Amino acid sequence: AQSVTQLGSHVSVSEGALVLLRCNYSSSVPPYLFWYVQYPNQGLQLLLKYTSAATLVKGINGFEAEFKKSETSFHLTKPSAHMSDAAEYFCAVSQGSSASKIIFGSGTRLSIRP
Amino acid sequence: DTEVTQTPKHLVMGMTNKKSLKCEQHMGHRAMYWYKQKAKKPPELMFVYSYEKLSINESVPSRFSPECPNSSLLNLHLHALQPEDSALYLCASSPIYSGTYNEQFFGPGTRLTVL
Repeated sequence: AQSVTQLGSHVSVSEGALVLLRCNYSSSVPPYLFWYVQYPNQGLQLLLKYTSAATLVKGINGFEAEFKKSETSFHLTKPSAHMSDAAEYFCAVSQGSSASKIIFGSGTRLSIRP
Repeated sequence: DTEVTQTPKHLVMGMTNKKSLKCEQHMGHRAMYWYKQKAKKPPELMFVYSYEKLSINESVPSRFSPECPNSSLLNLHLHALQPEDSALYLCASSPIYSGTYNEQFFGPGTRLTVL
């Protein structure tokens, strides 16, 4: 079965600093990977998705992620953090032949220090 | 219109009540989903509807009863819930329910409290 592991349940960075949220996947077949963001008391919003077209994926709000097969990773980065980036971030993988079933990681809460 | 809407935003109900959650999308999507999310946890899939037919039931207790009256609407009927059912209930939709990948669009959720 496919799965994702998010390293670090809470990450805190200063405003303007680099944001790095880690995600490793487990898959026996080429995965489809997603990053979602959830602001307080809201639903989930898709930040970006990897579908094998390009290893470096650019998303909304200045975020990007790089698919590294050798490391089974799909880490999320943003060069300069903004206060509005404070939220919960979920890495997710689509599962096998039932590709529409999404398996979410445990989530990483991102805090931004002024 | 790229929105998934959910009503009500908040719901408080007793264990003997019957209530319903409503979800609507007008993106022409033919797959719709219900998720349950507890505090500080990821969403857990409950049900998947594909072309208005129930495709997946993740062993959800019968006190939760989904309904898909048409391709734009998804309901979740609630009856005899338990306090542990208190959670954020999220609806999502996607263009189809099969294929290489499937981007899901989420609604804002209904915050349910069972007393």
